[in-house]
Amino acid sequence: EVQLVESGGGLVKPGGSLRLSCAASGFSFSSHNMNWVRQAPGKGLEWVSSISTSSRYINYAGSVKGRFTISRDNAKNSLFLQMNSLRADDTAVYYCAREGTSGSYADYWGQGTLVTVSS
Amino acid sequence: SYVLTQPPSVSVAPGKTARISCGGTNIGTKTVHWYQQKPGRAPALVIHFDSDRPSAIPERFSGSNSGNTATLTISRVEAGDEADYYCQVWDRSSDHQWVFGGGTKLTVL
Repeated sequence: EVQLVESGGGLVKPGGSLRLSCAASGFSFSSHNMNWVRQAPGKGLEWVSSISTSSRYINYAGSVKGRFTISRDNAKNSLFLQMNSLRADDTAVYYCAREGTSGSYADYWGQGTLVTVSS
Repeated sequence: SYVLTQPPSVSVAPGKTARISCGGTNIGTKTVHWYQQKPGRAPALVIHFDSDRPSAIPERFSGSNSGNTATLTISRVEAGDEADYYCQVWDRSSDHQWVFGGGTKLTVL
């Protein structure tokens, strides 16, 4: 069974940093591109970042570029999101999402971890 | 940046057919994916590549895509189908690689 379990969310002050983790199991982690998608309270889904299987290709949404860094450790079946210079509008549930084998969509999602940026 | 437009809400009686639209310029030239999100839960894929269903999704769910509109159709709607539905495309030229529609709240009357 495919499982994605996020952790690392919490309350942080504006300008602060947080590192999210996503532990993957039940599939060959190194064979799938991975993504982070967020959802602000009461709002829709927003793609944040993607990373290819070997970490060669990395992309970010403009709203987080230069502040967030995605990475992965295939040996530990883990995905990460380092978030720096956090702002109030970064407040959201952050989902780890596995990209389908054929690409361009998420076939499995984690349960999400809430990040709240507030003073 | 590519924009996907969904109606904020759709209402349907149990047993009837619900159609949720997703509009975008020449969206028929792209592949569209659909997600269902129930309150307090993570999204779940219900349709990928315009009209393909993951194995766990009932045949009542179907999709189509042509011209400027993609459509998610749910036949014989059940109370358990009440959820938010999001369409999504991949667009390399966009600021967001995965572009999501704003979501549609499906209410089962």
